[in-house]
Amino acid sequence: EPEVTQTPSHQVTQMGQEVILRCVPISNHLYFYWYRQILGQKVEFLVSFYNNEISEKSEIFDDQFSVERPDGSNFTLKIRSTKLEDSAMYFCASSEYLEDEQYFGPGTRLTVT
Amino acid sequence: EDQVTQSPEALRLQEGESSSLNCSYTVSGLRGLFWYRQDPGKGPEFLFTLYSAGEEKEKERLKATLTKKESFLHITAPKPEDSATYLCAVRPLNNFNKFYFGSGTKLNVKP
Repeated sequence: EPEVTQTPSHQVTQMGQEVILRCVPISNHLYFYWYRQILGQKVEFLVSFYNNEISEKSEIFDDQFSVERPDGSNFTLKIRSTKLEDSAMYFCASSEYLEDEQYFGPGTRLTVT
Repeated sequence: EDQVTQSPEALRLQEGESSSLNCSYTVSGLRGLFWYRQDPGKGPEFLFTLYSAGEEKEKERLKATLTKKESFLHITAPKPEDSATYLCAVRPLNNFNKFYFGSGTKLNVKP
């Protein structure tokens, strides 16, 4: 069964460093998303991406964040100059069509020290 | 402001003891309500999509229903392996691009 994959599973970084979180969405899916979940809190929408463009972003997704689809299979989230409060689980999701359910990856746990 | 509220926050059941989880929402028009299961340290796993009031979906011991203001996830004769956090998410009519998630109900089924 096709699934969304994410790497790394755990990333530890120092405050101020840049990190890139990687995702491989399901191959025939066209819509891609990033969410984050701070420990014990709700899953929060960050950004949606379609046709090589951001289609929607939340107020959390400021200039510190960027997304890219560098090739036909990968979808990345870059966080520049990480802060302590960026520590969270980051989930990638994808869907075939806009109105479909979203399928989530296993997540990357980001720890900023 | 769009809101999704789930109750109870936590639920402990004996194996075989049926119950229901609630998801109430206030969005400016609903374009889909989604139920997910999340195990500790894992990503949400898709269970059901509901689009209109009166709709029902079933899968094994789980049944999801939808009204105009809330959805229920009914668990019939649960087993310990049903223990997980159950998340509800809504997609508002005026913004197809994002999901709003509730805080989840943490279900613990004891043998």
